[in-house]
Amino acid sequence: EDKVVQSPLSLVVHEGDTVTLNCSYEVTNFRSLLWYKQEKKAPTFLFMLTSSGIEKKSGRLSSILDKKELFSILNITATQTGDSAVYLCAVSPNAGNNRKLIWGLGTSLAVNP
Amino acid sequence: DTEVTQTPKHLVMGMTNKKSLKCEQHMGHRAMYWYKQKAKKPPELMFVYSYEKLSINESVPSRFSPECPNSSLLNLHLHALQPEDSALYLCASSQTGNSNEQYFGPGTRLTVT
Repeated sequence: EDKVVQSPLSLVVHEGDTVTLNCSYEVTNFRSLLWYKQEKKAPTFLFMLTSSGIEKKSGRLSSILDKKELFSILNITATQTGDSAVYLCAVSPNAGNNRKLIWGLGTSLAVNP
Repeated sequence: DTEVTQTPKHLVMGMTNKKSLKCEQHMGHRAMYWYKQKAKKPPELMFVYSYEKLSINESVPSRFSPECPNSSLLNLHLHALQPEDSALYLCASSQTGNSNEQYFGPGTRLTVT
């Protein structure tokens, strides 16, 4: 059965810390891995990763995929209170026209001032 | 413009009511989705429309009825809901082809009394 596992489930840090969030997966016919940030409303798209070893970066956030070891990490440097959110990882299998994403349970990040 | 809009933001309905949720996107995306999200859980896929045709129905009860009037609009008609259907209902869209980046609307917070 396809599955996505995120760790840790929750994390509390202080402003300025660097955090690393993990996402491992077991999916038949992997196509892509996506990271989302969810505050109180809808998930906001962060990154889509399809190739191993190529880092995607946006400001203080970066992510990389390892297709051999079947995991991805999301790094946040110099954290701010506005980074407090649930970070969701989802994997898209390569199944023709099927666009169903397989979701992890998320990592709840709290950044304290 | 990566915006997906949803109305209403909040909805309270009785178990005998009929109501509709609306979703709109103007990104030229040809795939649109309905998700249901309960607290502290990832989004749960309900329906997928691809080129205005229903391509995935995740065994959703018939009291939820989707409709895609055109490529920009997606509706979810609700009838005879149960209290356990109370949740955040999210609409998303994505391009067809190789991209599977899904962009989410802000959601409708539904309470069934």
